[in-house]
Amino acid sequence: DAGVTQSPTHLIKTRGQQVTLRCSPKSGHDTVSWYQQALGQGPQFIFQYYEEEERQRGNFPDRFSGHQFPNYSSELNVNALLLGDSALYLCASSAGTGAMSSGNTIYFGEGSWLTVV
Amino acid sequence: QKEVEQDPGPLSVPEGAIVSLNCTYSNSAFQYFMWYRQYSRKGPELLMYTYSSGNKEDGRFTAQVDKSSKYISLFIRDSQPSDSATYLCAMSARAGGTSYGKLTFGQGTILTVHP
Repeated sequence: DAGVTQSPTHLIKTRGQQVTLRCSPKSGHDTVSWYQQALGQGPQFIFQYYEEEERQRGNFPDRFSGHQFPNYSSELNVNALLLGDSALYLCASSAGTGAMSSGNTIYFGEGSWLTVV
Repeated sequence: QKEVEQDPGPLSVPEGAIVSLNCTYSNSAFQYFMWYRQYSRKGPELLMYTYSSGNKEDGRFTAQVDKSSKYISLFIRDSQPSDSATYLCAMSARAGGTSYGKLTFGQGTILTVHP
């Protein structure tokens, strides 16, 4: 059973460029959330997708956008990159309407390391 | 003030010690409490999950939630060098339409267990 998979694992971009990160959720999961983790900090919630719609959004500017596909996979797009966007970007998946139990919890991928120079 | 406060440490203990990690929070809507372990340059790995108040034990790990005090703890017994990692507490309130709302994390505590 594959867990949450993310690509690419590492990438370097120049200020002002655009980047797209990809995520495939764990088998059986239909909800995908994205987080940004700066060095030495806990992950910060960017947004959550369920049924191909953005359901919740954290305190991030409109430069951050996303998409969820019918197969539940998701993309995170960041436009007009800033140096401060350098971080580990994490994808998390869960079952959107599953019963609340220890079997329905949130799992994270290994992340995509983005460096903006 | 942050919604979730966690002492970043670092915390250094000898092998075999009992480790206590703690978080406090201010949002009374939080119902789901998790502890994640994160090794260097890796994604967070779920360790413990607790709903509402109470204790939960899994092997060497015990999670405690005290909602009246807005305080959660993770205890690690017989700590091992392989436990050396960053430990993140995370919390969530239920959100309409999905089982989970966003996770709000603490800053993470860096733990080193030395032989």
